[in-house]
Amino acid sequence: QQQVKQSPQSLIVQKGGISIINCAYENTAFDYFPWYQQFPGKGPALLIAIRPDVSEKKEGRFTISFNKSAKQFSLHIMDSQPGDSATYFCAATGNQGGKLIFGQGTELSVKP
Amino acid sequence: NAGVTQTPKFRILKIGQSMTLQCTQDMNHNYMYWYRQDPGMGLKLIYYSVGAGITDKGEVPNGYNVSRSTTEDFPLRLELAAPSQTSVYFCASLGGGSEQYFGPGTRLTVT
Repeated sequence: QQQVKQSPQSLIVQKGGISIINCAYENTAFDYFPWYQQFPGKGPALLIAIRPDVSEKKEGRFTISFNKSAKQFSLHIMDSQPGDSATYFCAATGNQGGKLIFGQGTELSVKP
Repeated sequence: NAGVTQTPKFRILKIGQSMTLQCTQDMNHNYMYWYRQDPGMGLKLIYYSVGAGITDKGEVPNGYNVSRSTTEDFPLRLELAAPSQTSVYFCASLGGGSEQYFGPGTRLTVT
């Protein structure tokens, strides 16, 4: 019940295209859903996050769509750029000491 | 502000050896975490701390120990290294908001 399942494992997108990464969770007590971006050799960094009281959050080219009834959320990267090539992790937490449950990660490659 | 710093960046251990991974944060955050990252597995929580003197187990604590004597430092101890502990280790901290700040990681190989 603590799992967060992420797909796809890897994704190749052409420059200017839309990248979509999906996550599903089981624990209805989760109330905070962040996405982290990780470049090779670096630690993850917060990209964007959402709480379940809204269905969508947009920051620049990055949008989270949240479906509470389906227990799913997704990251959309519009106008994908080669600089977006990184590993993306979804996560969830239910305010239990801030402990994050991470998805398995998606390695995104944006081709020029 | 250096944020979260980790040392060493890389380490090779022989089976059965011990070592301590260091983690320091200068943001006066109460919450600190240790994760390990394995390919295709995401990040798994090893131990966490909600303040100086308080630690608790995460999802994968076996083979590790931690201590939290100060707000700034949260070292992770491996007592008898095993090949299964080959991984990349990340330390993170959390302040008053919801964002965890991660260090640059320690890449550990046990042979």
